[in-house]
This record gives sequence, C-alpha cells and structure tokens, in this order.
Amino acid sequence: QQKVQQSPESLIVPEGGMASLNCTSSDRNVDYFWWYRQHSGKSPKMLMSIFSNGEKEEGRFTVHLNKASLHTSLHIRDSQPSDSALYLCAATKSSGNKLIFGIGTLLSVKP
Amino acid sequence: EAAVTQSPRNKVAVTGGKVTLSCNQTNNHNNMYWYRQDTGHGLRLIHYSYGAGSTEKGDIPDGYKASRPSQENFSLILELATPSQTSVYFCASGDGTGGWEQYFGPGTRLTVL
Repeated sequence: QQKVQQSPESLIVPEGGMASLNCTSSDRNVDYFWWYRQHSGKSPKMLMSIFSNGEKEEGRFTVHLNKASLHTSLHIRDSQPSDSALYLCAATKSSGNKLIFGIGTLLSVKP
Repeated sequence: EAAVTQSPRNKVAVTGGKVTLSCNQTNNHNNMYWYRQDTGHGLRLIHYSYGAGSTEKGDIPDGYKASRPSQENFSLILELATPSQTSVYFCASGDGTGGWEQYFGPGTRLTVL
C-alpha cells in the first residue's frame, strides 16, 4: 500500500477556478512535506514545502499541514492553463534524506 | 538553479543486454538518487548514495546496480535488461540544506525490447 496517498487521482477545473489537492501519509515517522509539480514530458520541480502546522502562501498557491493527522493540502486559486500538470506530494523525516512520493494528482485547467 | 544532467536521454536496449544510465550534478550535493516513474506507481526509489564510494538500496533495487565514483557522478546499471525495466528514469541530487529538497535531472526514457 502506498505510504503517501493523494486524492483525487485527477481533477479538472475551469480557468480562474480553485484547485484543491490532498495528501496523507500513513507513515507516522515523517514530519516534512513537499509538493512537486511535473509538467508533461518534464522532470519534477519543487513547488512548495511545509514543515510546521498551519498554512503557507506563495502567490496563488497555499499549502496547509496538520501534523496530527499527517495531512497536507495544496490549493491553487485563479488556476491557469499553465498549471495543468501532475502534482506529486512527498514526505520525509526531518532527520532523513529519502523522500516518499505519492502517485500524484493530474490537474487539468480548461480555458 | 541546481543542475543535474542525465545521459542518454533516450535509449533502446535489447533483452539481456547491459545498460548504463549516467547522471552528473554540479551542485556539490552529498546525496544522489535514482528513481523510475511508471503510470500508476509514481516515483519509486531504486538506489541512492550518501557520497563518493557509497551506494544504498532503495525500495525497488532488484535487477539494478549503482555506482558513485565521485561526488558529481552516479550511474545506474542494468546488467541484464528486461522488458519490465522499460520506464522513465530520473536522477536527483540533494542535501540537508533546505530540508532535503531534491533537484531532478531531465530523465532518461528507456525501452527494452
């Protein structure tokens, strides 16, 4: 079973809409979470990271983390067609150096 | 921006043949990683390294070997390639700076016939 589970598997949102992606770890040893974005045919690139409970905002992107439930979410407001990509959630221990990746959420933003 | 390069970018191999995938990083990162990415499985860790001369098994090491001859270079070796190893392979580098963020190379598409 995947230790990092993401939902939904795929998501279609209209241009200008809000996209909400979820991620939960079943490995209770992790405490750092990452969101990577991978455009079609390209390599993953780190989008945002969150290490503390609460919320972190960078432009149109907001991540939330609840460490008690090991749940993180990524919200993209005013979604653009260029946001269409595979979004990968990853987790690691603060003392570790290996990332555990989820399968990803495929986001399509329709004009 | 951190720089990781991979070669070749595309490779077609025959079953039973030997394949070597190469990765180079100019970030001076201690850690390097090899992943494969398949639909429905996400990114899976094959081998990783803490520094020159070290290699560690990841989550799916069977059928693969790794070599880290220097800080900059990390190779993935398929001694006897099989069609099940057809995939996209990504190399990444990283260290503790910034909380273990990893920087990925452009990927190698390997097809084993």
